[in-house]
Amino acid sequence: QTVVTQEPSLTVSPGGTVTLTCASSTGAVTSGNSPNWFQQRPGQAPRALIYSTSNKHSWTPARFSGSLLGGKAALTLSDVQPEDEAEYYCLLYYGDAQYWMFGGGTKLTVL
Amino acid sequence: EVQLVESGGRLVKPGGSLRLSCAASGFTFSTYSMNWVRQAPGKGLEWVSSISTSSTYIYYTDSVKGRFTISRDNAKSSLFLQMNSLRAEDTAVYYCAKSAITVTDFDYWGQGTLVTVSS
Repeated sequence: QTVVTQEPSLTVSPGGTVTLTCASSTGAVTSGNSPNWFQQRPGQAPRALIYSTSNKHSWTPARFSGSLLGGKAALTLSDVQPEDEAEYYCLLYYGDAQYWMFGGGTKLTVL
Repeated sequence: EVQLVESGGRLVKPGGSLRLSCAASGFTFSTYSMNWVRQAPGKGLEWVSSISTSSTYIYYTDSVKGRFTISRDNAKSSLFLQMNSLRAEDTAVYYCAKSAITVTDFDYWGQGTLVTVSS
């Protein structure tokens, strides 16, 4: 059973920078896993931020960026704002068996 | 404006059945793959199922194979999830999510519909 692992929680100061990561139990995350990142605030539906590793949607703030880092997918938030406090989920695609897997989520606190 | 509106969620007894619907608007529904994602109370997101534009390719997570059936009606811009043999662990908010141009990516999400499986 594939497991996708994210940091359970992170804390960052307003104006700071933080990187969230997403690892796969099957090995290094690659562009073939097409990493997606989503933001979910309490009581709301998820909102897409990043697709295909590093591409931003038209609504994604410029301070969010995606990359591959040391065999993991990564989401970096720069100049963090109070409204960035939320749960963040990564999503990986496994084309060999045709399924998708979400990470367990990272609760980001802005303090 | 893209809109996805789920419906059909309710309280159902274990072993029961339910059909969820997702009404899509604001885009050419027939040209995009669609997905169902669920979230149990207080838990993370779980991919449930995906369907290609012409229903040729359909995929499920292992825990729902043989019990859930995804389908779509392109003429009515609607996505469905038929859920049979429901279990307590199927209790969740079910979201409809649109695939992007790249079918491996998800972009727009609905607000979700709550399914509660309990006696």
